[in-house]
Amino acid sequence: SQTIHQWPATLVQPVGSPLSLECTVEGTSNPNLYWYRQAAGRGLQLLFYSVGIGQISSEVPQNLSASRPQDRQFILSSKKLLLSDSGFYLCAGQGSGNSPLHFGNGTRLTVT
Amino acid sequence: QKEVEQNSGPLSVPEGAIASLNCTYSDRGSQSFFWYRQYSGKSPELIMFIYSNGDKEDGRFTAQLNKASQYVSLLIRDSQPSDSATYLCAVSGYSTLTFGKGTMLLVSP
Repeated sequence: SQTIHQWPATLVQPVGSPLSLECTVEGTSNPNLYWYRQAAGRGLQLLFYSVGIGQISSEVPQNLSASRPQDRQFILSSKKLLLSDSGFYLCAGQGSGNSPLHFGNGTRLTVT
Repeated sequence: QKEVEQNSGPLSVPEGAIASLNCTYSDRGSQSFFWYRQYSGKSPELIMFIYSNGDKEDGRFTAQLNKASQYVSLLIRDSQPSDSATYLCAVSGYSTLTFGKGTMLLVSP
């Protein structure tokens, strides 16, 4: 079965600092990979998804970017964090187009 | 734009009762339907999926799908306080999943 590894669990960063969150996948090849953000008490906001190495689709224009340098590695980055970037960041993997998403444990980011 | 609608709740039920969670979707081409449970501060976990019209049962959980009405529901029998969580409905067509905003369920002892 598919396992999504995500780290760190919590992160406190000052405004204007860079960000790099990494996600790796075990148990499947060529997965679809997703980054979501969830603000406190809110729904899931899709940020990026990838169907293969180097293929990134952005759903929401913002100061975040994503990269997929390897089949099972998905990275979320920012050059300069904003206060509004605070939230719960979730990486998810999917074996095929209609199969379920499986989520990592998430990273709670607080920008101060 | 594909939409998935859920009542935000909270839905309050007593322990032992049946909890009924509902979801409607806008894209008639949707093919796969999922229910996730999310405890406060945790990531969503998959609890049920359904692809065909009708009912699908797994333990205390039953997913119901009616594609003609564009409606999917989740029934939780013999609700327990540990079922208290937010339940997310997700719908997939030929591209990415679309999530609803979730319904909060509160099960009182």
